[in-house]
Amino acid sequence: NAGVMQNPRHLVRRRGQEARLRCSPMKGHSHVYWYRQLPEEGLKFMVYLQKENIIDESGMPKERFSAEFPKEGPSILRIQQVVRGDSAAYFCASSPEDYYEQYFGPGTRLTVT
Amino acid sequence: AQSVAQPEDQVNVAEGNPLTVKCTYSVSGNPYLFWYVQYPNRGLQFLLKYITGDNLVKGSYGFEAEFNKSQTSFHLKKPSALVSDSALYFCAVRSSGGYQKVTFGTGTKLQVIP
Repeated sequence: NAGVMQNPRHLVRRRGQEARLRCSPMKGHSHVYWYRQLPEEGLKFMVYLQKENIIDESGMPKERFSAEFPKEGPSILRIQQVVRGDSAAYFCASSPEDYYEQYFGPGTRLTVT
Repeated sequence: AQSVAQPEDQVNVAEGNPLTVKCTYSVSGNPYLFWYVQYPNRGLQFLLKYITGDNLVKGSYGFEAEFNKSQTSFHLKKPSALVSDSALYFCAVRSSGGYQKVTFGTGTKLQVIP
């Protein structure tokens, strides 16, 4: 059973460009979570999605950030008009229905120049 | 609001010695508690969890943790540290009952000295 997959692993964008981060959950997992990790900080929750639904987006910045988890295909975290402060590691995690722990992908390291 | 505190940014321990990584939490209601480990440039790996039952929880790689409700703590322990245990350790908590998002601590860097 393949683990959670994220791509790209590294992404460089210039200020003002768009960043699209992809996450394929583990097989059989219908819950996806996105987190952001900055140096010297822990993981900050961003959004929780189930297939075709956003369940909790309380950690998402109100502007420029959006997430989706379509019926088919990976979950996408989209950051529009990136700024230097968006530089961070973004982790995706997944879990099956009614499960407690989450399983993390390797992360996407976004660098905004 | 729920929160997690990991009071030590770094813990140094000699190989073969017991190790403890501390975690305290605050949550409404009963807690679900977790420990994860992160190696450099990798995602977090689940180590163990406390949901209910026995206060001493055993997990992967010889790690265990003790849930102490009166002290609201969930310290991670291992009887004999290995150099390969050197990594970043995160404690996490969520409240029981329905959907609750997970709150992570800021992490503790464990350095095992040969």
